[in-house]
Amino acid sequence: KNEVEQSPQNLTAQEGEFITINCSYSVGISALHWLQQHPGGGIVSLFMLSSGKKKHGRLIATINIQEKHSSLHITASHPRDSAVYICAVRYRETSGSRLTFGEGTQLTVNP
Amino acid sequence: DTEVTQTPKHLVMGMTNKKSLKCEQHMGHRAMYWYKQKAKKPPELMFVYSYEKLSINESVPSRFSPECPNSSLLNLHLHALQPEDSALYLCASSQVDLGMFSEQYFGPGTRLTVT
Repeated sequence: KNEVEQSPQNLTAQEGEFITINCSYSVGISALHWLQQHPGGGIVSLFMLSSGKKKHGRLIATINIQEKHSSLHITASHPRDSAVYICAVRYRETSGSRLTFGEGTQLTVNP
Repeated sequence: DTEVTQTPKHLVMGMTNKKSLKCEQHMGHRAMYWYKQKAKKPPELMFVYSYEKLSINESVPSRFSPECPNSSLLNLHLHALQPEDSALYLCASSQVDLGMFSEQYFGPGTRLTVT
């Protein structure tokens, strides 16, 4: 069964701390997505990766294809970063339109 | 314009009502998706349209009926729903080229409550 595992499930940090959220998957993928969801609904796509590293502002996403592992880092965290972060992958063997989602990481950043 | 819009934001309906959810994008994307999301769970794929044709139906009950009238619009028609259908319904869209699907852009969702 193709699965996506995220850790930790819940994370509480103080403002300014460096945060890492991890994602592991089971077989070959064509792409990995990091998504952000604030309370009350909409999902924002943060990154789509197939190799290497991407940076946008205080957010950095890395992927290691050999180890089937990705990390999302937040530098100088802020209370507005409080949200659920979801890892989703597109497996090569399934339909290219289908994403397999992790269970999400609930991040709370306290002032 | 990188926005996917959904209406309404909130919907309360009885089990005998008929209602529709609407989704619109003007990014020229040719793939559009409906997801259902229960509290504290990841989204679950319901339907995928590719070039206005239904390409994936994840064994969704027939009380949910999708429609893609053109490349910018996606509807979800609801009839005779059950209370357990209460959830956040998310629409998304993506580019598709030669069978390759790109990054999905999500709408803000419709919060549906069935009474």
